[in-house]
Amino acid sequence: NAGVTQTPKFQVLKTGQSMTLQCAQDMNHNSMYWYRQDPGMGLRLIYYSASEGTTDKGEVPNGYNVSRLNKREFSLRLESAAPSQTSVYFCASSEWGGMNTEAFFGQGTRLTVV
Amino acid sequence: GENVEQHPSTLSVQEGDSAVIKCTYSDSASNYFPWYKQELGKGPQLIIDIRSNVGEKKDQRIAVTLNKTAKHFSLHITETQPEDSAVYFCAASGAYNNNDMRFGAGTRLTVKP
Repeated sequence: NAGVTQTPKFQVLKTGQSMTLQCAQDMNHNSMYWYRQDPGMGLRLIYYSASEGTTDKGEVPNGYNVSRLNKREFSLRLESAAPSQTSVYFCASSEWGGMNTEAFFGQGTRLTVV
Repeated sequence: GENVEQHPSTLSVQEGDSAVIKCTYSDSASNYFPWYKQELGKGPQLIIDIRSNVGEKKDQRIAVTLNKTAKHFSLHITETQPEDSAVYFCAASGAYNNNDMRFGAGTRLTVKP
């Protein structure tokens, strides 16, 4: 099993450009999450999807949109990238978010906005 | 919302020594406390977790203790090995959802051979 797969692994954007980060999981998990990781700040939740067809804002949603395309896929879109969005982005999934089950993380996407 | 503080930010130990990382949380409703290990270039991976109805949990060389009254929990690694070198994150979340899980800032552990 591949687990959680993110693409791309690296990306450089110019300020104002848009892009979509892709995430797919093959564990038949119900819940999926997008986090950003910045030095000295741990992981902060951007958006989550408790189940297929639902999405909700996390701690730092401004500047982002998400789509839960189906049970497997959860994408994160930056409509107009800003230097403050330079970060490492992680997608994660868990079987049931409501039961605090283990979250499995992808390998991350390192995004630089210049 | 929940606030999680983690100390120290960096920790260096000799191989074979023990390592202790401490976290405090603010929301008394939090009842799930996982610890994640992140190796260079990889995503975090769960290594151990504890729920609020348990005071201590052990898995081989790794143990976690929880003091609900003081709202702090700790990760203990005994007989450290070079492969334990990584960044460790603590987290805390509420009764029903992973969506309110808050992470500490991380501890970079270096185990010197």
